[in-house]
Amino acid sequence: RKEVEQDPGPFNVPEGATVAFNCTYSNSASQSFFWYRQDCRKEPKLLMSVYSSGNEDGRFTAQLNRASQYISLLIRDSKLSDSATYLCVVNRWGGSNYKLTFGKGTLLTVNP
Amino acid sequence: EAGVTQFPSHSVIEKGQTVTLRCDPISGHDNLYWYRRVMGKEIKFLLHFVKESKQDESGMPNNRFLAERTGGTYSTLKVQPAELEDSGVYFCASSQVSETSGRNEQFFGPGTRLTVL
Repeated sequence: RKEVEQDPGPFNVPEGATVAFNCTYSNSASQSFFWYRQDCRKEPKLLMSVYSSGNEDGRFTAQLNRASQYISLLIRDSKLSDSATYLCVVNRWGGSNYKLTFGKGTLLTVNP
Repeated sequence: EAGVTQFPSHSVIEKGQTVTLRCDPISGHDNLYWYRRVMGKEIKFLLHFVKESKQDESGMPNNRFLAERTGGTYSTLKVQPAELEDSGVYFCASSQVSETSGRNEQFFGPGTRLTVL
């Protein structure tokens, strides 16, 4: 079983739609969680950090359920510029261990 | 503030040759990481420096890969000799752990796309 598993996608949605991505992680020792977005042939860019049960940033809401080892990302009122691959990332930090473990990503295309 | 920079952006070499990738982290970031994405797979961790020391090199594929960070500033990743399966995108990231929150947010460079023929 992979450490981080995401919806395989792809997701194709119209502008203005609400879309949700799901992610599960296998290592219960994971401590911090992130959503990165990656545009085609570009580097991953940090979208949101999720350190408690969840947080909201504008149109984006991330939720964390430690008991179920599940993370989600909700995008409301989708824009064309939201088209990208969304990466679920976990970090089992503690002591000096800061390495990130990535999911394969979910491709989102927002259509006009 | 300048972000993480990497050089070169692309490299095409033949099997058996040597390639050296460079990463300049965000100024002041003690933590520097190397990651790699091979085609069709997820991004995977290679190693982690804290200043000039290797903190974790558990992701390095084999002894053909050598990473250095002399002086705790920029880092190099050398592949010698390169093999076909080394092709992929090599990302560098840096971070500074918050002393108050303990949070560690990593910022990525644009990557080096390596093709081994």
